Order: sequence, then C-alpha cells, then structure tokens
Amino acid sequence: KAGVTQTPRYLIKTRGQQVTLSCSPISGHRSVSWYQQTPGQGLQFLFEYFSETQRNKGNFPGRFSGRQFSNSRSEMNVSTLELGDSALYLCASSLALAGYYEQYFGPGTRLTVT
Amino acid sequence: AQSVTQPDIHITVSEGASLELRCNYSYGATPYLFWYVQSPGQGLQLLLKYFSGDTLVQGIKGFEAEFKRSQSSFNLRKPSVHWSDAAEYFCAVGAQGGGGADGLTFGKGTHLIIQP
Repeated sequence: KAGVTQTPRYLIKTRGQQVTLSCSPISGHRSVSWYQQTPGQGLQFLFEYFSETQRNKGNFPGRFSGRQFSNSRSEMNVSTLELGDSALYLCASSLALAGYYEQYFGPGTRLTVT
Repeated sequence: AQSVTQPDIHITVSEGASLELRCNYSYGATPYLFWYVQSPGQGLQLLLKYFSGDTLVQGIKGFEAEFKRSQSSFNLRKPSVHWSDAAEYFCAVGAQGGGGADGLTFGKGTHLIIQP
C-alpha cells in the first residue's frame, strides 16, 4: 500500500506571498492531520480534518488554513507568509480520528520563506 | 493540556550497546503513547504505540517500550543498537477518543549518535 505523499517536497517563497501544500493520505484513511516542524519549536499540531470537516485545531493564526476533499486528500494554505513560517510541514493520515488510531506521516514539504 | 518531556537532547551510544531513551508525559486521562523515528530530511516513522493492555509493547527494528503509569513514563529500549539507528527519536502523546485540540503532542526529540 502506498504511503502518505506530499507535494511539493521543496518550496521557496517570498514574504507576503501565499502557498498551498498538498497531501494524499494512505488509501482508506479518512483523517489527515498537519504539523509544523521547526528547530526552535519542534513539532506542533496545526489541524486535523476528517470527512471534509476540521475536527481539531492547534494554536496557530488564521493565516494557516486547510481543507479536505471527498477523496480524503487535503491541502494546507498559508497566506501572507512570514519569515517565521519557514519550516518542514508534515502531513499524517489515520484510518479515522487520530485519537483512536495511529498516524502515518509523509516525507514533508520543506518551505523556505525569504 | 497534555505535554511530553524527553530529558535527553543528545545521547551517544556505542554500536552493539544497549539503549534507553526516556519519555515522561503529562495527561489527565489514559493516554495514547507513541515513539517515532526521523532520519535526516525524512518524515516520521512509527516505531511502536501503546493504547491499552500489556504495558510492554514491541515495535519494529527491535525496539520495545514500557508504559509505567505510576511514573508517567514510556521509555524506549533496544538491547543492541546498530549504526543505522542513528536518528532523531520523538515520543508523543495523544488524547484518547479524539476531540481534543492538541492532536498529537510531541516531545522535543532525542538525537541518537552511534559510535563505531
């Protein structure tokens, strides 16, 4: 079974721009969660989508948003990029809500904001 | 709110020696506990998980972990490390039943260095 895939793998953007990251979960998985990983803050939870609805949200500003499609694929959008948004963005999928099932992570998208 | 502490930022172990990585968690109810490993430039790979039942859980690559409720710990062990085990290791706690606002809460990680 194919794993979690994320596109693009690397991205360079300028401050003020916006960016959209994509995540395709493992086939049959209905929940997708997003995490931000930085050297200073470590791994931080952004949000979780299940059945096209946001179920949980971490402590991030409204510039960070996401959505999930009927095929469980998910996108994450960051508007008005700041230098501090430079990070590895990880997507994880699970069979259902992550509180009940283990999550499997993709390789991540490395975002650099200049 | 749930939290995870990994007291050791770096650990150096000789190849063939035993390994124990420490993890302490704070959570008001019964937690879900996980260990993940991350190699440079890669995503996270699940090593093992504890949901309920037997407190000693076996994982992949010869790793095991023991859940000790009284100590709020979930330490990761391996009897004999290999050079390929060099990586970053993360302990994580999840809220049982979902519905929480925290998703998975990760520790800061322990960087494992293997000496030849």
